[in-house]
Amino acid sequence: DTEVTQTPKHLVMGMTNKKSLKCEQHMGHRAMYWYKQKAKKPPELMFVYSYEKLSINESVPSRFSPECPNSSLLNLHLHALQPEDSALYLCASALSGGPYNEQFFGPGTRLTVL
Amino acid sequence: GESVGLHLPTLSVQEGDNSIINCAYSNSASDYFIWYKQESGKGPQFIIDIRSNMDKRQGQRVTVLLNKTVKHLSLQIAATQPGDSAVYFCAENGGYQKVTFGTGTKLQVIP
Repeated sequence: DTEVTQTPKHLVMGMTNKKSLKCEQHMGHRAMYWYKQKAKKPPELMFVYSYEKLSINESVPSRFSPECPNSSLLNLHLHALQPEDSALYLCASALSGGPYNEQFFGPGTRLTVL
Repeated sequence: GESVGLHLPTLSVQEGDNSIINCAYSNSASDYFIWYKQESGKGPQFIIDIRSNMDKRQGQRVTVLLNKTVKHLSLQIAATQPGDSAVYFCAENGGYQKVTFGTGTKLQVIP
């Protein structure tokens, strides 16, 4: 299995809702990432997990809460989001957190906040 | 702050011709660069990478050139095909685990 899967593909939520995005990989990778991508813009790093521990938080608002239950799973919990948080949320994984490791991206979850 | 950017937002190329996509970076400490291809509705896909101790690297139909003197990166695609139509991002890894993407170039292949 050489892919990163993300669910759901699309998500529409209100500003008072609580939802979660899920990401899974079975490549034995020990680094996992969340990126946010607005339309016609490059992906922007949000969080990095290395060996199931949060190693980087790019000053992301607390309404986004990441979780890494085990080395294969990565969640992003969403609460009290704003319309400007609407974007494509990409998950990626890499063999390790080292600088020369290729990142494999999932197809993303298209999030719309009403 | 430091950034990675592209000169051309859109590039139109005739099928069969070669494509050249350019990228400028500003962090002279960056030592690893990656090109990604992103098709509509998909996540970025790794194309090729290069470390700062190299100035050229070749893959299948793709070549990346790195000019550290002027902090410039380019991606050359030989014999461009319709399936090459996508947005191409250069990215730099200037620190542990952090990849910073450039602004992207849309490549349109004209049949």
